[in-house]
Amino acid sequence: DADVTQTPRNRITKTGKRIMLECSQTKGHDRMYWYRQDPGLGLRLIYYSFDVKDINKGEISDGYSVSRQAQAKFSLSLESAIPNQTALYFCATGGLAGTGELFFGEGSRLTVL
Amino acid sequence: GESVGLHLPTLSVQEGDNSIINCAYSNSASDYFIWYKQESGKGPQFIIDIRSNMDKRQGQRVTVLLNKTVKHLSLQIAATQPGDSAVYFCAETITGANSKLTFGKGITLSVRP
Repeated sequence: DADVTQTPRNRITKTGKRIMLECSQTKGHDRMYWYRQDPGLGLRLIYYSFDVKDINKGEISDGYSVSRQAQAKFSLSLESAIPNQTALYFCATGGLAGTGELFFGEGSRLTVL
Repeated sequence: GESVGLHLPTLSVQEGDNSIINCAYSNSASDYFIWYKQESGKGPQFIIDIRSNMDKRQGQRVTVLLNKTVKHLSLQIAATQPGDSAVYFCAETITGANSKLTFGKGITLSVRP
């Protein structure tokens, strides 16, 4: 089983709909992240959390919200999806502070029509 | 602002040749660097890392070189194989309690048989 699991893996939705992407991890890490990947733009940080009570905005948080329900779960929501939020979304976890290495899920491909 | 960038968007190499993927970073305070490999349909995976107190680090068939003077990072892959075909990302961070990785835009490595 994957250490970092994302659901759904693929989703097609319409403009204005609310969408939630879920992430769960079995690595026991405190740090969790949501990234967005677009062709030619690399990975951009949306939100991150260093523990259950900690939520921080990344570089592109507008239009998104997150919830850290437990150490192992970190969900990303689009309250009212728009077409330019069509992208590949990755959840990642990180271990000890200062090591920097992240462990990524397989990605959730979201298409907003 | 500070950013991490890659010189070339694509690289095509002959199977068996050595590959060199380059990355420029602009944040002189960064002290930890990672190379990730992303295969089609998967999340990025850790390849190798290097700290700023080192100039070179070797792994299995991969070597990372760091030149802090010109803020340049490179990934060398020896005897490139078809399985090396992927998108490669460099990432940088300042280690510490609030460490966050900043990713470059990625370069596609294509291995010709």
